[in-house]
Amino acid sequence: DAGITQSPRHKVTETGTPVTLRCHQTENHRYMYWYRQDPGHGLRLIHYSYGVKDTDKGEVSDGYSVSRSKTEDFLLTLESATSSQTSVYFCAISYTGTATDTQYFGPGTRLTVL
Amino acid sequence: GNSVTQMEGPVTLSEEAFLTINCTYTATGYPSLFWYVQYPGEGLQLLLKATKADDKGSNKGFEATYRKETTSFHLEKGSVQVSDSAVYFCALSSASSTSGTYKYIFGTGTRLKVLA
Repeated sequence: DAGITQSPRHKVTETGTPVTLRCHQTENHRYMYWYRQDPGHGLRLIHYSYGVKDTDKGEVSDGYSVSRSKTEDFLLTLESATSSQTSVYFCAISYTGTATDTQYFGPGTRLTVL
Repeated sequence: GNSVTQMEGPVTLSEEAFLTINCTYTATGYPSLFWYVQYPGEGLQLLLKATKADDKGSNKGFEATYRKETTSFHLEKGSVQVSDSAVYFCALSSASSTSGTYKYIFGTGTRLKVLA
């Protein structure tokens, strides 16, 4: 197993509160990704990082921000959570970020926004 | 834009049946194609991949061939087992226009249930 952990694994929060999800890797991979998984949508990319302090938006980035201050950690923040952000969030890492590169996924965080 | 279309599930089969899960894609250039599997309560893990036209990816009895002429990457297995019950995702790699990093575009997933 790739050394990827996500915390927390489950969280219930209320609308309007800030939430931060953490992804931690021990593989020293340069590329990290945040996805959300929703029924009927598969996985959709929220943000990704191609190095420390280097991040870019994915297809569903509205309402989310990210930070990466060191190689091993990639944080996803919901500044003011909404019910539409109830989802399962997955972090992934890859080594080269190239077309043929495999992505390795963490175990996921189930977030419920009431 | 680039996209992946998978057959809708759920797919329910008896043990030892033949499996096909259809996947077609739309892409500019020559993407790599992937199948990922997600077992209950877990993250996704790579099942197989193919990086150029006519390549066949294979793993654990599963196979898929990269067909450029039909823009397809159908997943097949000759004899499924109960332990194959999972959700299967087709994906392609797509380059970011800003950073050059390749990202995945996933299909919606197909749930497979295999009955003993």
